[in-house]
Amino acid sequence: DVKVTQSSRYLVKRTGEKVFLECVQDMDHENMFWYRQDPGLGLRLIYFSYDVKMKEKGDIPEGYSVSREKKERFSLILESASTNQTSMYLCASLGGSGNSPLHFGNGTRLTVT
Amino acid sequence: AQSVTQLDSQVPVFEEAPVELRCNYSSSVSVYLFWYVQYPNQGLQLLLKYLSGSTLVKGINGFEAEFNKSQTSFHLRKPSVHISDTAEYFCAVSGPLGNFNKFYFGSGTKLNVKP
Repeated sequence: DVKVTQSSRYLVKRTGEKVFLECVQDMDHENMFWYRQDPGLGLRLIYFSYDVKMKEKGDIPEGYSVSREKKERFSLILESASTNQTSMYLCASLGGSGNSPLHFGNGTRLTVT
Repeated sequence: AQSVTQLDSQVPVFEEAPVELRCNYSSSVSVYLFWYVQYPNQGLQLLLKYLSGSTLVKGINGFEAEFNKSQTSFHLRKPSVHISDTAEYFCAVSGPLGNFNKFYFGSGTKLNVKP
């Protein structure tokens, strides 16, 4: 069965800290995604990657960067955390084409104080 | 860009009653449609998907959805809900407008099943 693992369920960080959110998938999927989920706004795409070392900006990339050094791992980086980045972060992977569903991790709830 | 509208942010319903969660999307081309469910403090799980063929799609946990191309809708239904169906439900669309792998999500509908 498909498995996407996010390393932390809950994180509390201070303003200005550099934050790393890690995601690992075991399906050999080419595509990986980072979404941010906020009440009433649904899921918004931050970044995605369609191959190792390849990345594309999503709809809200400002304040974030990503890294994909290995196919199974996709990291989201908050260069200097701010309180408006307090949110639920969801990682997803996708195999095949657009008619395949996304597979999600359980999410990381980040609080920036 | 495509958009997905879930008009109802919250739907309260009594146990064993039927429910319909509405989803409309904007697109003039063929798309793929999905419903996901999110239980508290968890990620999203796929409920069902429409790719082509029969417009009535059956998913897990007794849910089904009907694709209506003329109304650009993909409403989710269940004839008799259970307390365990309490969750947030998201409608999503993926389509071939440039980036074939891009998904667009609605803002979600919280289903609250009362005893």
